[in-house]
Amino acid sequence: EIVMTQSPATLSVSPGERATLSCRASQSVSSHLAWYQQKPGQAPRLLIYGASSRATGIPARFSGSGSGTEFTLTISSLQSEDFAVYYCQQYNDWPPMCSFGQGTKLEIK
Amino acid sequence: QLQLQESGPGLVKPSETLSLICSVSGDSITTSGYYWGWIRQPPGKGLEWIGYIYYDGSTYYSPSLKSRVTISVDTSKNQFSLRLRSVTAADTAVYYCARNRDVYFPFDYWGQGVLVTVSS
Repeated sequence: EIVMTQSPATLSVSPGERATLSCRASQSVSSHLAWYQQKPGQAPRLLIYGASSRATGIPARFSGSGSGTEFTLTISSLQSEDFAVYYCQQYNDWPPMCSFGQGTKLEIK
Repeated sequence: QLQLQESGPGLVKPSETLSLICSVSGDSITTSGYYWGWIRQPPGKGLEWIGYIYYDGSTYYSPSLKSRVTISVDTSKNQFSLRLRSVTAADTAVYYCARNRDVYFPFDYWGQGVLVTVSS
């Protein structure tokens, strides 16, 4: 089973600044890595798939990078609506399985 | 527009079986290539994948839950369901259903989630 580890657990950033979130896989997941945003009381929303492709309707300030075991989500200029919890997910297993990181809470500094 | 909606009891007694249904609208549950999944989130904690059912009825489960979980599909109602047996308080969570459009694609559509509490 592939274990996903996110860091940091909490990130404090001021509006307008850049945020960088990390995700590490216990073994290679190729580029089969997604990022989700979750706000209180809501279902997760897909932001990034294939490690670096933005999902439909996601603003360009969200970008993803990495492959193999190390991945990064960057939010270039934080807006008020970006403060939320972010999860990474790998979907590289066969037979089909997936796993999530424990989440990074992005809070206002 | 694809929509998913979870339904089921909000309260289940310990040792009993949790049963939830996900109703799908806007697309057919038998569309080739689609995986339909269940994910849960205990209060204040992270996301945990429970399992998938493929459009052809094949199922794949989390190793940690495999002995207690069954996911099935009702094509006549365009629904799929989750059964989790022998529940304990640790199974208290918001349960989400979601869709992958391909095995190498993440969950792109989610239901709103339903809170299930395990308590006597």
